[in-house]
Amino acid sequence: EVQLVESGGGLVNPGGSLRLSCAASGFTFNSYSMNWVRQAPGKGLEWVSSISSSSSYIYYADSVKGRFTISRDNAKNSLYLQMNSLRAEDTAVYYCARGEGIPWYFDLWGRGTLVTVSS
Amino acid sequence: DIVMTQSPDSLAVSLGERATINCKSSQSVLYSSNNKNYLAWYQQKPGQPPKLLIYWASTRESGVPDRFSGSGSGTDFTLTISSLQTEDVAVYFCQQYYSAQYTFGQGTKLEIK
Repeated sequence: EVQLVESGGGLVNPGGSLRLSCAASGFTFNSYSMNWVRQAPGKGLEWVSSISSSSSYIYYADSVKGRFTISRDNAKNSLYLQMNSLRAEDTAVYYCARGEGIPWYFDLWGRGTLVTVSS
Repeated sequence: DIVMTQSPDSLAVSLGERATINCKSSQSVLYSSNNKNYLAWYQQKPGQPPKLLIYWASTRESGVPDRFSGSGSGTDFTLTISSLQTEDVAVYFCQQYYSAQYTFGQGTKLEIK
């Protein structure tokens, strides 16, 4: 089955760190760019970061630049998001999503993992 | 960044009637070299991730019912549901992918009248 499964979310103190993972299956992972998109509770969608198939191109939203790092391991069919210096406004469900390139639309989404930043 | 603005914010339509959602971008998302509009539409039902409905402004994703259609070019786009069904109750988002700094509209909540 073609799917993306996120993990690693949880409750973290402001200023803390968290590493999200996204496991891909059912398709040739190293042929696709990958993305993180977040959604604060009751709010809209906000793109966070993108990485090309070979990790040659990486992009970040201004709101996370310098604090978050996207990476991937094509041998493990996995995408990651290292989140440092977390703030209350980073509280959201984080989705990983697939695209054929950059820029491209997102044709496959995971179910998301919830990150809560609170003391 | 390209700002995407949807209208209306919410919409109530009777079953079987037409629903129309608009999306306007702050700059053109039409790429002149290939004449493609870099605009997608997503549907999000409660407790679920977004689902791709339309890409290139008017191309329906595989498996999406043909009552869903997209139109428009440049800066003005429309998602139309020709005959509303109960399973269409959801929030709909437009997205530009003209720039790698992707942006989404704020969402339009569609309900049954």
